[in-house]
Amino acid sequence: DTGVSQNPRHKITKRGQNVTFRCDPISEHNRLYWYRQTLGQGPEFLTYFQNEAQLEKSRLLSDRFSAERPKGSFSTLEIQRTEQGDSAMYLCASSQRGWKETQYFGPGTRLLVL
Amino acid sequence: GNSVTQMEGPVTLSEEAFLTINCTYTATGYPSLFWYVQYPGEGLQLLLKATKADDKGSNKGFEATYRKETTSFHLEKGSVQVSDSAVYFCALVTLYSGGGADGLTFGKGTHLIIQP
Repeated sequence: DTGVSQNPRHKITKRGQNVTFRCDPISEHNRLYWYRQTLGQGPEFLTYFQNEAQLEKSRLLSDRFSAERPKGSFSTLEIQRTEQGDSAMYLCASSQRGWKETQYFGPGTRLLVL
Repeated sequence: GNSVTQMEGPVTLSEEAFLTINCTYTATGYPSLFWYVQYPGEGLQLLLKATKADDKGSNKGFEATYRKETTSFHLEKGSVQVSDSAVYFCALVTLYSGGGADGLTFGKGTHLIIQP
């Protein structure tokens, strides 16, 4: 069990650019979650996958955001045409089964849009 | 919709003091309740949880009891240590009838500082 990993850990980009983040969950976990956290706030749910299927998307996930989990392993979160309001910490978590199970969080990717 | 309210921080205590961090919630349906902790420089990790009314979650000397009548899940510890300094998040999830959910709903977090 090597834990949830995320790359990159930090990303600075200019407004209008596209960015992509990667999350590698704990290997036997079939659920993967994305959250966004801004300064002084708790994490906010964005979306989740069960295996390769994306099952829920928050209204926070605008059409500039897209997430994939090919083959049910790692996941990517892409933000197109970034805006300054996208600056935040993007967190990934994974769990073995349902919502009552423990979610294991990665260290996050901190995005700064200039 | 779901929401979680936590006491504002930072909360500063001396070592060995008694700790209470208040958490109240509003939820549609019957939520499961969680406390997550974030130590400096580390990711969020589950501290404890309770999935039904009157359940008590406990871990590392921390406890919280699921109180449905007061919609609360207050975190307590009898004697805090400097190593307990961290940000604590109360969270909940409610399930749809089909087993899906809108994700964990977190409070804003409470920054706890323990002084030696």
